[in-house]
Amino acid sequence: RKEVEQDPGPFNVPEGATVAFNCTYSNSASQSFFWYRQDCRKEPKLLMSVYSSGNEDGRFTAQLNRASQYISLLIRDSKLSDSATYLCVVIASGGYQKVTFGIGTKLQVIP
Amino acid sequence: DAGVTQSPTHLIKTRGQQVTLRCSPKSGHDTVSWYQQALGQGPQFIFQYYEEEERQRGNFPDRFSGHQFPNYSSELNVNALLLGDSALYLCASSYVRDRFNQPQHFGDGTRLSIL
Repeated sequence: RKEVEQDPGPFNVPEGATVAFNCTYSNSASQSFFWYRQDCRKEPKLLMSVYSSGNEDGRFTAQLNRASQYISLLIRDSKLSDSATYLCVVIASGGYQKVTFGIGTKLQVIP
Repeated sequence: DAGVTQSPTHLIKTRGQQVTLRCSPKSGHDTVSWYQQALGQGPQFIFQYYEEEERQRGNFPDRFSGHQFPNYSSELNVNALLLGDSALYLCASSYVRDRFNQPQHFGDGTRLSIL
């Protein structure tokens, strides 16, 4: 089983739709969680951290479920500019970061 | 405030050669991590440097080695290049604070092509 699993998609959604991605992780010692966005042939950019209580940033909501070992990203009112690959990142506990990326979920927002 | 900078942006090498990639972390960051991203895949962790020592290592052979300098900048060296080493190599920096993990910030990457 992969340490971090994501559905690679693609998810094709119309503008204005709400879309959700899940990411599961296998290491129960995982401590920190992030969502990154990667545009084609560009570097990953931090989208948001994921906190235990859940957190929201505009149209984006991230949640963590430690019991089931998954994190989620919800995008409301999708825009064309949201088209990208969304990477789930899990960091194992400890002072030095053991960072694992998911394969990424490709989102295509259609006019 | 300069972000993470990597050089070169593109590189073409042939099998068997050696390559050195460079990275300067974001101002204020002390930790540098290197990743390999093949087409259609997520970044794969190579190793991480902090205080000039390799602290964590992913599942990569010894052909991949690195170094961190006192100014926190870092190099990734790959020896005996194989066709399968063709990828985007990403450098990310962060800082260790209270031994908790901080998000990493990425450079633009070096696109390495092996012929």
